[in-house]
Amino acid sequence: GDSVTQMEGPVTLSEEAFLTINCTYTATGYPSLFWYVQYPGEGLQLLLKATKADDKGSNKGFEATYRKETTSFHLEKGSVQVSDSAVYFCALIYTGRRALTFGSGTRLQVQP
Amino acid sequence: SQTIHQWPATLVQPVGSPLSLECTVEGTSNPNLYWYRQAAGRGLQLLFYSVGIGQISSEVPQNLSASRPQDRQFILSSKKLLLSDSGFYLCAWSPSSVSSYNEQFFGPGTRLTVL
Repeated sequence: GDSVTQMEGPVTLSEEAFLTINCTYTATGYPSLFWYVQYPGEGLQLLLKATKADDKGSNKGFEATYRKETTSFHLEKGSVQVSDSAVYFCALIYTGRRALTFGSGTRLQVQP
Repeated sequence: SQTIHQWPATLVQPVGSPLSLECTVEGTSNPNLYWYRQAAGRGLQLLFYSVGIGQISSEVPQNLSASRPQDRQFILSSKKLLLSDSGFYLCAWSPSSVSSYNEQFFGPGTRLTVL
């Protein structure tokens, strides 16, 4: 079946450091890919998305590129802030399917 | 614009008691609706989804049930809660039209603690 694998957390960085959170997926066909962010005590917010190979999703300084050849969708940010501290979820879905398949989430802690 | 509401925000219930969580969506018609559960330190698991009034699909067998009495209302229920029902319950919606992707939008969640 389909699955999403994320790097184990927590990831602890200093403010202004470069961020990479790895995400790889196993799927048949070509799903759409998403990154969601969950701030403490809140629901999930869509951070960015990509719907086909080589698409780059971007939002709030975060970027991720849909890599079909490596089945990856790594999240990056050039300079993190304390306010970026949250749990980040990678997810996929196929056209016509109902359920998002989520990774287990990666907690990011940014220290001042 | 569309908004999604959930209540209550937090709930503490004894084992064996009933449960009713409510989700409503505003600003859209005939949405697909979803209930997910997030157990402590884990990812999200889809529990139920609905493509229309009275149409419910269950993804996992359990003591929970869902109902959709109105187009934009989705209710999660249980007759008798178990300790293992504790978690963070998230409602989500997506547009009903088939497109190249089904982007889902999440509510603020309900944190349920069963004691």
